[in-house]
Amino acid sequence: EAQVTQNPRYLITVTGKKLTVTCSQNMNHEYMSWYRQDPGLGLRQIYYSMNVEVTDKGDVPEGYKVSRKEKRNFPLILESPSPNQTSLYFCASSLSAWASSGGETQYFGPGTRLLVL
Amino acid sequence: DQQVKQNSPSLSVQEGRISILNCDYTNSMFDYFLWYKKYPAEGPTFLISISSIKDKNEDGRFTVFLNKSAKHLSLHIVPSQPGDSAVYFCAASLANRDDKIIFGKGTRLHILP
Repeated sequence: EAQVTQNPRYLITVTGKKLTVTCSQNMNHEYMSWYRQDPGLGLRQIYYSMNVEVTDKGDVPEGYKVSRKEKRNFPLILESPSPNQTSLYFCASSLSAWASSGGETQYFGPGTRLLVL
Repeated sequence: DQQVKQNSPSLSVQEGRISILNCDYTNSMFDYFLWYKKYPAEGPTFLISISSIKDKNEDGRFTVFLNKSAKHLSLHIVPSQPGDSAVYFCAASLANRDDKIIFGKGTRLHILP
């Protein structure tokens, strides 16, 4: 089954304790992205990756890191989490970087709810 | 500056009637627009899209209309069904080297029995 998986689904942590949220897709997609969803703010892009070893900042990259060593995995790293990073996080992937001619749809993971105390 | 705006946080519609969800954008360079649907505890799923070269796209009960001069698009669902109760996100893409997609804040649709 084609899917995007995220782990963990729920996480409670404390300020400053490094954490990683994993994201994996089995569709051989080139493009992967991380979003956070906050009440009243919708979905905001954190980082994205056009392909292996190619990553770029989205709209709200501060406090986050990513890596893309393999095509299928795109982990989100919070080196020193803070309470303002409490949010619902979504990983997404698509066949290629967004193409205006075809409009590649993104497939989203189920989300990771993070609480930073 | 919010480039994609969904000004109605929520909308309630009677089952069987038409649901109309609105979205406005500020950047005339956007050339592709999408609607995503999200149920609680699940990730968003793609619903329907439209290219800026079109003004209408239809898929079953879902139709998206694009008015470029007004920088406005709308999603029509007819007839509305209970399973349509969800949060709907409007999104737009900008054809530059960044190829980013920008989402609106979402509109929660309640279908009333």
